[in-house]
Amino acid sequence: GAGVSQSPSNKVTEKGKDVELRCDPISGHTALYWYRQSLGQGLEFLIYFQGNSAPDKSGLPSDRFSAERTGGSVSTLTIQRTQQEDSAVYLCASSLSLTVYGYTFGSGTRLTVV
Amino acid sequence: AQRVTQPEKLLSVFKGAPVELKCNYSYSGSPELFWYVQYSRQRLQLLLRHISRESIKGFTADLNKGETSFHLKKPFAQEEDSAMYYCALLGGGYNKLIFGAGTRLAVHP
Repeated sequence: GAGVSQSPSNKVTEKGKDVELRCDPISGHTALYWYRQSLGQGLEFLIYFQGNSAPDKSGLPSDRFSAERTGGSVSTLTIQRTQQEDSAVYLCASSLSLTVYGYTFGSGTRLTVV
Repeated sequence: AQRVTQPEKLLSVFKGAPVELKCNYSYSGSPELFWYVQYSRQRLQLLLRHISRESIKGFTADLNKGETSFHLKKPFAQEEDSAMYYCALLGGGYNKLIFGAGTRLAVHP
């Protein structure tokens, strides 16, 4: 596609429910990243994919968070048993060459846990 | 440790005034640094990279290895520059960007 697409754009869920967030990167971008953006916290790295594998999962905050990528394209971030502190904007980015082009970001999914 | 520090949460200036958004980094290797900008209701976008030594929308940033800084500057701020600015360091084995907490720039008429 022309850009990085994320869905849904907004998600309100009840505490304890599971949610799935989707990211469709730019075609041909082999690297895909998930970040969490909170007020005053900046962008917190969650996970990095190269193709379908995730060589760096160091930012996932707990085992309630998981992510997968299939076909070297679409990625899904799953949060199980959501908590209020999970409320944030979840950003996806993809890159063809990090040193040359940096990231191209999606517009994010705003998650609100009530 | 690899870290990016943006000491100011908010920078408020008047139109036409000079602007400097501060960024300091901690990195043991040769750093590659970026500035990203997020305008209201828009997605984060790359503003400039230090390796290209470019000037975008009148903004420049110079890497100062001695002071471990990469401050973003513009001589005359415009109202349309009002946005959230993030400094980022290429870290994690050159595999990911490490971001600062961001500085909100507000340019008043």
